[in-house]
Amino acid sequence: GAVVSQHPSWVICKSGTSVKIECRSLDFQATTMFWYRQFPKQSLMLMATSNEGSKATYEQGVEKDKFLINHASLTLSTLTVTSAHPEDSSFYICSAQRQGRSYEQYFGPGTRLTVT
Amino acid sequence: AQTVTQSQPEMSVQEAETVTLSCTYDTSENNYYLFWYKQPPSRQMILVIRQEAYKQQNATENRFSVNFQKAAKSFSLKISDSQLGDTAMYFCAFMKLFGNEKLTFGTGTRLTIIP
Repeated sequence: GAVVSQHPSWVICKSGTSVKIECRSLDFQATTMFWYRQFPKQSLMLMATSNEGSKATYEQGVEKDKFLINHASLTLSTLTVTSAHPEDSSFYICSAQRQGRSYEQYFGPGTRLTVT
Repeated sequence: AQTVTQSQPEMSVQEAETVTLSCTYDTSENNYYLFWYKQPPSRQMILVIRQEAYKQQNATENRFSVNFQKAAKSFSLKISDSQLGDTAMYFCAFMKLFGNEKLTFGTGTRLTIIP
């Protein structure tokens, strides 16, 4: 149990376009999901906290209008990178926090975004 | 704000040997969890072990154990009988409870198991 999926696993888009990444908890409910960004050979950097039914909380320095987060249900959160630029190319990872057990966070396999 | 420090960017050890990865953290919180996560080349984050701060007993999961020193704010990971599949990035992480329960990660240690 406790599986988190991400879709797509890899996406290439052109500069100026938008791309949506989905994060799903497959066998548990997640009130809270988190979105991270990871550059090569670096640690995970938290971008935002996504709460079901409410607005996401963004970390300092993260542009909320560029990285749109929607958490419409207890099993799905989406991250939309708007007007993508080459500097947005990165590895994006989500995690889902099991409802009622905050210490249990499960990670998705990640999405590699390349903006050309 | 919490900080997590991993002072060993890279380590290598022979297969079947024991290796210890270091982690220190800084916090004024009293209620928190500490974690070790493994990120193999596939980049899937995998929970290795978790320690509740209120527990004095060190957590153990098969070949993995921790040395939790709360007063010193130290949380090291020991891997016994290391295997080739242990080759990965290892991240130490901190989570405070009863608030914004997000993970704060260290910079990671790249561990290579040599056959």
